[in-house]
Amino acid sequence: QKEVEQDPGPLSVPEGAIVSLNCTYSNSAFQYFMWYRQYSRKGPELLMYTYSSGNKEDGRFTAQVDKSSKYISLFIRDSQPSDSATYLCAMSKDSNYQLIWGAGTKLIIKP
Amino acid sequence: NAGVTQTPKFQVLKTGQSMTLQCAQDMNHEYMSWYRQDPGMGLRLIHYSVGAGITDQGEVPNGYNVSRSTTEDFPLRLLSAAPSQTSVYFCASTSPGAYTQYFGPGTRLTVL
Repeated sequence: QKEVEQDPGPLSVPEGAIVSLNCTYSNSAFQYFMWYRQYSRKGPELLMYTYSSGNKEDGRFTAQVDKSSKYISLFIRDSQPSDSATYLCAMSKDSNYQLIWGAGTKLIIKP
Repeated sequence: NAGVTQTPKFQVLKTGQSMTLQCAQDMNHEYMSWYRQDPGMGLRLIHYSVGAGITDQGEVPNGYNVSRSTTEDFPLRLLSAAPSQTSVYFCASTSPGAYTQYFGPGTRLTVL
């Protein structure tokens, strides 16, 4: 069993919908949680970062961590076609240096 | 400020050939790493370095060598290419205490 599980999709939704992307993990030592966005044929770029439990909001994006359930989520409000990309979750125990990655979910926003 | 650069963008090798993937960063980051990305597998860490002269193995190091003689450069060497090494390779860098890893554009490698 992988340490981090993420549904690869693809997830296809109409423009303007609320999108929910999720990851589950097995190692309770993880404390740092990140979401990276990767456009086709590009390198990943950091979208959201959360330490420990709780919510963090940045514009249309909200990251949520539930350590008791070992479950993290990324919500995208008012989704746009430009949000079409692969979203990867990543987490680590005590630093950013050695991240454990989910497989990535491919998101398609239909105009 | 170019960020993280990788060369070449594409490469086709025959089984048994060797080659070096180049990675350079101009952000004075101490930490650099190499990942491979395969469909359905996410990013897997091959090797990483916490500073010039210091390297260590990641999750999938077999068949790859690295060295770090300068802060800026972190080349990845394939010793004897195998079809299982067909993948997209990403180099990344970050600073101590930072939580953002900056990725290069990737090298798409096919081994026939």
